[in-house]
Amino acid sequence: DSGVTQTPKHLITATGQRVTLRCSPRSGDLSVYWYQQSLDQGLQFLIQYYNGEERAKGNILERFSAQQFPDLHSELNLSSLELGDSALYFCASNNPHNPYGYTFGSGTRLTVV
Amino acid sequence: DQQVKQNSPSLSVQEGRISILNCDYTNSMFDYFLWYKKYPAEGPTFLISISSIKDKNEDGRFTVFLNKSAKHLSLHIVPSQPGDSAVYFCAASASNTGNQFYFGTGTSLTVIP
Repeated sequence: DSGVTQTPKHLITATGQRVTLRCSPRSGDLSVYWYQQSLDQGLQFLIQYYNGEERAKGNILERFSAQQFPDLHSELNLSSLELGDSALYFCASNNPHNPYGYTFGSGTRLTVV
Repeated sequence: DQQVKQNSPSLSVQEGRISILNCDYTNSMFDYFLWYKKYPAEGPTFLISISSIKDKNEDGRFTVFLNKSAKHLSLHIVPSQPGDSAVYFCAASASNTGNQFYFGTGTSLTVIP
C-alpha cells in the first residue's frame, strides 16, 4: 500500500457518459497529480493541484476537469466519454519536503464501450 | 510532443546478466531525472534518481548514468533477477517548472531465469 488511494479500481461505461475518479493522497502530501496511461503510451500529465488550487495543467481535454477538496482528496471528472478515453488513470502525490519522487496510487482502469 | 523517449518497448535479459535501459530527452532545461518501476495492476514506484550536477548515481544493484551533452540517461541493473521483471519508466523535470515530471513510454523488462 503506497498510501495513495484511488477508487474505483475498474470502471466500465458507455460512450457519452460521465464518470468521476477519486484520489486520496498520502497523509501529509499537499500536491496531487493526475496522469493518463493509454495503450503503448507513456504517462501523460493531465493536471496538478496543490493545497486545493490548480498549479499546473498538461494535456487535459476540455471534457475533463478536476478539483482538490479541503481535505486534500481530489476528483477527476471525465465527461462525454469517447472510446479513446479508455486508459489507466493514475493519481500521485508528494509533499513540499520531498519535492521529488511521487507516490503513485494503483490506478483506475477506465473502459469506454 | 514527447520530451522524454524510451525507444525500446521491451528488453529480455538472462538472470545474472546486466540489464541496460535507455532514455533520451529533448529539453535541455531538464535537471532532475528519475526511474520508476511498475508491476502489473500497481502504480509506478520510485526506483532511483539523479541530478544534473552528477553523471552517476548508484543504489545497490541499480546505477543510473547521465550524459548531459547527449541528453541521454541509462539505468543499469547488475545482476538482473527475475523479480526485476517489470515496466521501467524514465521521468524528467526542470526546476523552473515546479514538480511536473515528463514520463517516457516505458520499457518492459523480462529477466529470464
